Order: sequence, then structure tokens, then C-alpha cells
Amino acid sequence: AQSVTQLGSHVSVSEGALVLLRCNYSSSVPPYLFWYVQYPNQGLQLLLKYTTGATLVKGINGFEAEFKKSETSFHLTKPSAHMSDAAEYFCAVSDRGSTLGRLYFGRGTQLTVWP
Amino acid sequence: DAGVIQSPRHEVTEMGQEVTLRCKPISGHDYLFWYRQTMMRGLELLIYFNNNVPIDDSGMPEDRFSAKMPNASFSTLKIQPSEPRDSAVYFCASSLQGYGETQYFGPGTRLLVL
Repeated sequence: AQSVTQLGSHVSVSEGALVLLRCNYSSSVPPYLFWYVQYPNQGLQLLLKYTTGATLVKGINGFEAEFKKSETSFHLTKPSAHMSDAAEYFCAVSDRGSTLGRLYFGRGTQLTVWP
Repeated sequence: DAGVIQSPRHEVTEMGQEVTLRCKPISGHDYLFWYRQTMMRGLELLIYFNNNVPIDDSGMPEDRFSAKMPNASFSTLKIQPSEPRDSAVYFCASSLQGYGETQYFGPGTRLLVL
């Protein structure tokens, strides 16, 4: 089974500062990679995903993530944080094996943005 | 499309009662997933279906939990009898068939068992 590690369960930044949320996965075969965001009292929604092609993926709300195979990482960044970015962020991977269709989620990182 | 629809949005019940959570996936989606989210355990996959057939129910915590998908547009998650430790937010999600497909989540059902 896949394993996803999100370093830091809580990240705090000031408005306008760089956002960096870390995600590492364990797989000998590069999986498909996702970032989801969850706002308070809502379900998860897709921010961005990597399947094939360009390793730098752009998502909604100015977020982007880079797939680095050598580091088995898929870190999420945003150059300038906004108050509205405060939410919980989940990294997920999709197995290409027998568990087709299933996503493996990390524990999530709660992002706080200070004014 | 209205997205994934879940009902009820909130449920408060007493220990020992039966609880039934409902989900309507996005039309045309082949996969349906049930998740549970708690502070302690995070987001857990309980069970998922492909074309109405359960594929993996290894995440179902106990025999008190059961899930069905009688047709492509409806699924239920039942807890009988319910216990206080079942209190959580339960999400349903659906996706198309294939690798790398996005899962679309419903708004969740917030369950409180007293």
C-alpha cells in the first residue's frame, strides 16, 4: 500500500508570505499525485494533480506543486498567502496497482494565515 | 451537475440507535467511496465500490458498520448499533473509472452519538 507523509500538521504564515506545505510518498513506481483543500465545515476539493507530463503543476487560487521523482516529493507552494487560504490541506496519491481508483491521503496540514 | 449529495448533513442520536447515512454520487461516476474523518485518526477510507460492487471494505471498523450500493445513483452507510466513538464526519466521494481520476467529495454528514 502507498504511504503519504505530510511534514508539519500545522503551518502558520503571515499574509503575503510564501506558503510551503510538504508531502512525501513511498512508492517504487511514481504514482499519480494530488493536493486537496478542505475549508471549515466543507468537503475536500481538488487543488491540483499530477498525472504525467510537466512536473510543475499549477492549480487553483495561485497554488502550484512540483513532482520530484528523485526526492519522492510533491510539495505545495504559493508565493503570497492570503487570509482566504486558511484551511486544511491534504496530499494524496493514487496507486497504479491493484487498488485502482483508490487514493491514499496524508494526515493533513492545517494552514493558518496571520494578518 | 449538483455534485455529490449527502443526507442528512447533521445527525444527533443516542447510543444504541441505528444510523443511516445516504449518498448520491455524480451521475456517470463509476467509483463511490465512504470516508470517516476525526481529529484523532484523520481521514480514513471505510469502503469503496466500483460499478456498485464493493471492492475493499477492510476499513470498515466493525460489524456494526455496513454499506450498500443498490444502484449507480445511491449508496447507504449504516451503523447499528451506534456508539459514542462513532461520532465523526462521514464523507462520500465519487470518481470516474481510471487512473488518476479526481475524487469529488460531498459536504459530509456530521454524526454525534450521545
